[in-house]
Amino acid sequence: AQSVTQLDSQVPVFEEAPVELRCNYSSSVSVYLFWYVQYPNQGLQLLLKYLSGSTLVKGINGFEAEFNKSQTSFHLRKPSVHISDTAEYFCAVSEFIGTALIFGKGTTLSVSS
Amino acid sequence: KAGVTQTPRYLIKTRGQQVTLSCSPISGHRSVSWYQQTPGQGLQFLFEYFSETQRNKGNFPGRFSGRQFSSSRSEMNVSTLELGDSALYLCASSLKPPGDTQYFGPGTRLTVL
Repeated sequence: AQSVTQLDSQVPVFEEAPVELRCNYSSSVSVYLFWYVQYPNQGLQLLLKYLSGSTLVKGINGFEAEFNKSQTSFHLRKPSVHISDTAEYFCAVSEFIGTALIFGKGTTLSVSS
Repeated sequence: KAGVTQTPRYLIKTRGQQVTLSCSPISGHRSVSWYQQTPGQGLQFLFEYFSETQRNKGNFPGRFSGRQFSSSRSEMNVSTLELGDSALYLCASSLKPPGDTQYFGPGTRLTVL
């Protein structure tokens, strides 16, 4: 069965500092990988996705993630964060044969000045 | 192009009642998925519909049901509401599964008293 582990429930960081949000997954088959962001009282917005090809994926708002098959990881990074990046971030996987997204528990990113 | 819309945005019900939530996908999208988000369990997959057929179902009791109309609009119904059903219910639509980007609506906040 698939599962997603987001290793940090909360990540506090200062503005303009780099950040990495960690995500590990387990699956017996190939997967698609996603990062979503959720701002307070809103739905989920897709940041980036890995379907195949280059393991370094660039997304919106300056975020990027690297797919590492041997370590079954898909960590999200941003070189310099802004106050507006404060939100909840979710890593998710889905199998080729279905579309159900399996989400991690989420990481709360708090950016302060 | 209009995004995914969900109605109503907020709902208050009492235990034992039933509720119907509605989701209108992005124009042209034929796949609709539903998720439940709670502080304790996080985001959990409920079910997915494609061309009026349920393709996939999560691990929820039979009190949770759904359907999709020929217009691709979808409804989910929860009968005999329990306190634990209080959650944010998110709907997502995609053009073609699997692995295609799922676009989420703002959700319906259900409170069961």
